[in-house]
Amino acid sequence: GQNIDQPTEMTATEGAIVQINCTYQTSGFNGLFWYQQHAGEAPTFLSYNVLDGLEEKGRFSSFLSRSKGYSYLLLKELQMKDSASYLCAVRDMAWGGNDYKLSFGAGTTVTVRA
Amino acid sequence: DAGVTQSPTHLIKTRGQQVTLRCSPKSGHDTVSWYQQALGQGPQFIFQYYEEEERQRGNFPDRFSGHQFPNYSSELNVNALLLGDSALYLCASSRQGAHRSPLHFGNGTRLTVT
Repeated sequence: GQNIDQPTEMTATEGAIVQINCTYQTSGFNGLFWYQQHAGEAPTFLSYNVLDGLEEKGRFSSFLSRSKGYSYLLLKELQMKDSASYLCAVRDMAWGGNDYKLSFGAGTTVTVRA
Repeated sequence: DAGVTQSPTHLIKTRGQQVTLRCSPKSGHDTVSWYQQALGQGPQFIFQYYEEEERQRGNFPDRFSGHQFPNYSSELNVNALLLGDSALYLCASSRQGAHRSPLHFGNGTRLTVT
């Protein structure tokens, strides 16, 4: 099974940086995803890490340490539209590696203030 | 390129009734997964369909069943509805073997059981 923990809420000021941490315990790790979800909308993909290190995509970066069971999502130059829930999800492989399911954390609600 | 589409968007049912939710995957995708998202929680995996068969199942009772059609679209059926089944039901699609590709989510069906 999976156990995924992330903070419930974070607040930051427009233009600032926020780091959302995620720790996980898993029996069959095969990648970690970050999704953004605005209220009442579908989760949208932000980033993917399967190897240790940092992945950068514009204002968003994600880091993974497999040995520590730890990831973070870094949001830079925060904008009001970044106010949303951020979901950490771990992929668990099955069926010889051709199928997968995602196990999600409860999400971190980020509020950006002017 | 149409993304994942779900219908209906909202649904109100009474305890004990049955409900069917529908999903069309993103073009080029052949695998459909269903997730239940309670308010303030992350999505919970219900099951996954590929080649018209249920491939994986999460910790949900048999009241939850599904189907995949030859055109890859899918249905989620829930029998004997309980108040606790009230949630956002998300459909996600993917392509078999595309391990680095993220799940693509639809906007969900908001089910309210009264």
